[in-house]
Amino acid sequence: QTVVTQEPSFSVSPGETVTLTCGLSSGSVSTIHHPSWYQQSPGQPPRTLIYTTNIRSSGVPDRFSGSIVGNKAALTITGAQADDESDYYCVLYMGSGIWVFGGGTKLTVL
Amino acid sequence: QLQLRESGPGLVKPSQTLSLTCAISGDSVSSNSAVWHWIRQSPSRGLEWLGRIYYRSNWYYNYAVSLSSRMTINPDTSMNQFSLDLDSVTPEDTAVYFCTRGDAGSWAFGYWGQGALVTVSS
Repeated sequence: QTVVTQEPSFSVSPGETVTLTCGLSSGSVSTIHHPSWYQQSPGQPPRTLIYTTNIRSSGVPDRFSGSIVGNKAALTITGAQADDESDYYCVLYMGSGIWVFGGGTKLTVL
Repeated sequence: QLQLRESGPGLVKPSQTLSLTCAISGDSVSSNSAVWHWIRQSPSRGLEWLGRIYYRSNWYYNYAVSLSSRMTINPDTSMNQFSLDLDSVTPEDTAVYFCTRGDAGSWAFGYWGQGALVTVSS
């Protein structure tokens, strides 16, 4: 069974740049997986940040960007702010109408 | 403005069927440019994609492999909503259930409902 991997936690200082990754337990992530990224605050539904690898959803600040880095999808936050402290999830399209979420990364900004 | 609202029983007994409805406003369940998904979230399993339906002259369905034998998603065009039925539930099915909408070709879940907590317990 395919597992989508994310760092369980990450810490960044305000103003710094952080890159969260999204990989596969077997194989490489590429654009054919149409990676998307979501931000979730406690008690709220996830909010779409990035879709189809690198397209920012409407209203998302341009400090959030998506890419493929090596064999993983990546979400980069350039100049992290305090209110970026959230859980971040990636999801990959596995083909045949099937999506799989990663386990999420808890980002701390301090 | 698109809005999605999940509704259904908050408590279901083990072995029974979990049934939820997602009411849509601001779009049509029969839209040729939309894809409608169910996703759930629990502390033990995280976010889990469950399945989708969409209309392109016919209705199309896809389900997560691990749940396909127990799950059905159906459209209700008269009420402009879609539903989720999950049979033979166990406490492992306790979760917040979200309905979402994606744009055709976005491969993502652009709009989310607020979610409905369903607890499986006797």
